Amino acid sequence: SQQGEEDPQALSIQEGENATMNCSYKTSINNLQWYRQNSGRGLVHLILIRSNEREKHSGRLRVTLDTSKKSSSLLITASRAADTASYFCAANKAAGNKLTFGGGTRVLVKP
Amino acid sequence: EAGVAQSPRYKIIEKRQSVAFWCNPISGHATLYWYQQILGQGPKLLIQFQNNGVVDDSQLPKDRFSAERLKGVDSTLKIQPAKLEDSAVYLCASSVTGTNPRGQYFGPGTRLTVT
Repeated sequence: SQQGEEDPQALSIQEGENATMNCSYKTSINNLQWYRQNSGRGLVHLILIRSNEREKHSGRLRVTLDTSKKSSSLLITASRAADTASYFCAANKAAGNKLTFGGGTRVLVKP
Repeated sequence: EAGVAQSPRYKIIEKRQSVAFWCNPISGHATLYWYQQILGQGPKLLIQFQNNGVVDDSQLPKDRFSAERLKGVDSTLKIQPAKLEDSAVYLCASSVTGTNPRGQYFGPGTRLTVT
């Protein structure tokens, strides 16, 4: 089974709205990472949050981490059509950078 | 800086045939990963190399899959013989050693179709 599970599986919003997706994981982690994948392309790293951090920002992205609930959320503010992609969380259980990915959230931003 | 290179981008083979994929990581990245991504799912790690040594191959189907990174730079992943369920995108990624705040760098992938 996958370490991370995203919710919802799919999300459709209008340009300018915010998009929120959640991730749950099963075991203790060293850090949790979020990646974006455009159709037919490789993954692009968005943000990494360490286990001792609770919130992190990068541009229009905001990530939270709740280790007591083993969950994380990714918020994209003021979404754009170019944000249309699949978003994956990936749990890093220990040093060494081995990642276990969730099933992803497919986000459609309509212009 | 140049990204992770993979070839071929697409491959169509019949079941029971063999296929090989090639990956050239970002220069200076000691760690190299091969992932399998089935349509609609997240990537699944097949094997992780640190320089030319295997760190983790626990999810590699070793009866048919093999991988090598002989000189600690580029790598080859082979499937022999292929099955229908091997149809997927095979992603190569690389990173510097240890936890990197910029995560792993992924190549564009090779889309394999087994008929």
